[in-house]
Formats: sequence, structure tokens, C-alpha cells
Amino acid sequence: SQKIEQNSEALNIQEGKTATLTCNYTNYSPAYLQWYRQDPGRGPVFLLLIRENEKEKRKERLKVTFDTTLKQSLFHITASQPADSATYLCAARSYNTDKLIFGTGTRLQVFP
Amino acid sequence: NAGVTQTPKFRVLKTGQSMTLLCAQDMNHEYMYWYRQDPGMGLRLIHYSVGEGTTAKGEVPDGYNVSRLKKQNFLLGLESAAPSQTSVYFCASSGGIQGSGANVLTFGAGSRLTVL
Repeated sequence: SQKIEQNSEALNIQEGKTATLTCNYTNYSPAYLQWYRQDPGRGPVFLLLIRENEKEKRKERLKVTFDTTLKQSLFHITASQPADSATYLCAARSYNTDKLIFGTGTRLQVFP
Repeated sequence: NAGVTQTPKFRVLKTGQSMTLLCAQDMNHEYMYWYRQDPGMGLRLIHYSVGEGTTAKGEVPDGYNVSRLKKQNFLLGLESAAPSQTSVYFCASSGGIQGSGANVLTFGAGSRLTVL
């Protein structure tokens, strides 16, 4: 079955470092990958989208890559801040469907 | 601009009771979705709608029904609640897959349901 996998272990990094989160997909060829941020007790909020024909997208301190050979997307936060602490969700959609499939999310903790 | 509003925010039910969760969006979005989120399971799609009067099943539709009588509202019903339906429910909407094809979702704040 189609699967989107994210590291379930929390990622702890020091303020100022770059955080890198991984999203792997199996039995799937997504046309679009999206990244969302979710804070405790709140709904996910959209951050970035990347299409299969794009290698990299950037928005301020955020960068996402899409490697169709490795079947993987990487999400980077540069110069991380404690305010970046949250759970980050990866979601994918293929061309022939209206549905997004979500990964389980990775919790990021940035400490001062 | 409210975005996506879910009511109620919290509810406790006894096994066998019924209830309806209401989702309202003010962005004139065509697509609306109901997800449930459980620890370690991520967001799983229950039902969705691609326009007024339409509904379709997602990954985990059993035990739930939905209706989209008005474009701005999407209702999720539990006819006979079970403890396995204890979860946080999220509604989302999007402009759909036309145009840019991105189908970026705007989520509500969630409804926490406990079934005893």
C-alpha cells in the first residue's frame, strides 16, 4: 500500500543549527509533496509545496527538496529558533487523486 | 476572516450515542475533508467532498457518514459511537486540484472526541 514515512523519533537540535527532517515514500509516485507545521492542540498549517519536476524550493529560512530517485523529500530549517519547535508533517498527492496522504510527523525541539 | 471553523471543540459521548461534527469554511473552497488524528497514526482521511452535494470515502470511512448540502458546510456524523472513535478530528478545505493543482489544505483547530 502507499506509504509516507517520517522519523517518529523527535529531533532535538541547538538554536542556530540547521534542522533536517526526512520524508520517504513507498509504493507511490507523488506529483506533489507538501510540508505542514502543527503546534500542540492546533490544526496543521501549510508551509511549502514542491512538485516532482522541481528539485528544490525555498521560503525564507525553509528549504525543501524532492528526490524522485531516492523517493525522498528533505525539509530544512536554517538558523533554527526555539519558536520553530513543533511537529512537521509531510503530505503527498499523485496526479490521479484528490486526496493527500500524510506521514505521521516528526517532532522538532530547538533548545537555546 | 475565520477560515475553517469546527464545532464543537470538545465532546464526551457514551458508547452507542450519536453526534454530528460541523465544519464551516468562508473561503469559497470547493473541496472539503474530514481527517482523524491518533497518536502514532498520523492524519487519516475519513471522507471528503469535491463540491456541494458530493461525498466520497477516504481511508477509514466505516462508522462515519457525511453530508455536504451547502458549499460552505461539511458535516461528519457518528450514528453509534464506539470507543475506537475516540480521536481528534480535523476538517480541512482547499481550492482543489484545478489551476496550480497544488490542493493546499487549510485546517480547522480540531474537535477532540472521547467515547466512553
